[in-house]
Amino acid sequence: DVKVTQSSRYLVKRTGEKVFLECVQDMDHENMFWYRQDPGLGLRLIYFSYDVKMKEKGDIPEGYSVSREKKERFSLILESASTNQTSMYLCATLSGRVTGELFFGEGSRLTVL
Amino acid sequence: AQSVAQPEDQVNVAEGNPLTVKCTYSVSGNPYLFWYVQYPNRGLQFLLKYITGDNLVKGSYGFEAEFNKSQTSFHLKKPSALVSDSALYFCAVRDASGTYKYIFGTGTRLKVLA
Repeated sequence: DVKVTQSSRYLVKRTGEKVFLECVQDMDHENMFWYRQDPGLGLRLIYFSYDVKMKEKGDIPEGYSVSREKKERFSLILESASTNQTSMYLCATLSGRVTGELFFGEGSRLTVL
Repeated sequence: AQSVAQPEDQVNVAEGNPLTVKCTYSVSGNPYLFWYVQYPNRGLQFLLKYITGDNLVKGSYGFEAEFNKSQTSFHLKKPSALVSDSALYFCAVRDASGTYKYIFGTGTRLKVLA
């Protein structure tokens, strides 16, 4: 089974702090994604990466950046956290198959005070 | 533009009764359609998908979904609901043109009452 591990399940940060959310997968999948989940809004794509050092903006990239230095690791960075970034963050991976499904991590619930 | 609609925020059903969670979609080409389930404080788990072929797709935990091209719908169903099915369900669509982008619905909370 694919394992997608998000390093922190729960974080509490203060406004202006830099926040790193890390995601590691063990199945050699090319594609990795960061989503944000908010009640009533579903999942919204922040960034995705289809290869090492490659990244593309999703629907809501403002206030976020990403890093993919190794195939198995995809990091989401909040340069200066704000209260409106309080949310559940979900990492997902996808194999190269066109018909494949996403595999999700357990999520990181971030609270910005 | 691609979109997915889940018209019900919450669905309540008695244990043992059949359940349906609705999903409609809009894509420019052929759709790839997915259902995921999320239990409290967990990530999403894949339930089933429609790619091509038989309109009735069977998935995990006894769930199935019916693809209806004319109505652009992909409703999730189960013949007999369990209390343990209570969770948040998401429908998603992916454009078959090759993009890796998925569009998710807003989710439907299913509550199965004992």
